Amino acid sequence: AQSVTQPDIHITVSEGASLELRCNYSYGATPYLFWYVQSPGQGLQLLLKYFSGDTLVQGIKGFEAEFKRSQSSFNLRKPSVHWSDAAEYFCAVGAGDSGGYQKVTFGTGTKLQVIP
Amino acid sequence: DAGVIQSPRHEVTEMGQEVTLRCKPISGHNSLFWYRQTMMRGLELLIYFNNNVPIDDSGMPEDRFSAKMPNASFSTLKIQPSEPRDSAVYFCASSLSGSSGNTIYFGEGSWLTVV
Repeated sequence: AQSVTQPDIHITVSEGASLELRCNYSYGATPYLFWYVQSPGQGLQLLLKYFSGDTLVQGIKGFEAEFKRSQSSFNLRKPSVHWSDAAEYFCAVGAGDSGGYQKVTFGTGTKLQVIP
Repeated sequence: DAGVIQSPRHEVTEMGQEVTLRCKPISGHNSLFWYRQTMMRGLELLIYFNNNVPIDDSGMPEDRFSAKMPNASFSTLKIQPSEPRDSAVYFCASSLSGSSGNTIYFGEGSWLTVV
């Protein structure tokens, strides 16, 4: 079964600083990888996804993530953080189950605080 | 396009009462998921359907929980009887599944408080 680890529960960065959120996955084959963002009181919104091809994936709101198979990682990055980026970020891994359906497993999330 | 629609958005109920959460998936999507989110356990998959058929309900915590999908545009998650430890945010999500790797779209959630 697949699993996802987000080692950082909470991160604080200054507005304008760069950001990297860590995500490590466990899966025997090439996984499908996602980053979602959740603002307070809201549902989860997809930021970006990796299925195959170019290992550097661009997403919405200026985010990008890089798939590194050798490190089993899919870290999320942004060169310059804005105050509106304060939210909780979830990494997720999708894989087919025995029936051919996709099962998606989410990490525990990283809360991002942005200070002026 | 309308996203995944959930109701009610907020519910406060007394322990022992029946709770029914409702979900309308995105039109055309054929997979539907129910997740529960709590501070302690994070985001947990409770059950998912494909073409209205329950595929995996191994995440349903106990027999007090049941989910149905009578047609492609409607699903319910029922808790009977409810307990304070069921207090959580329940998310419904849907996707177009024909092969792996399809994006899951989430509703805004139903915030349940059992007192």
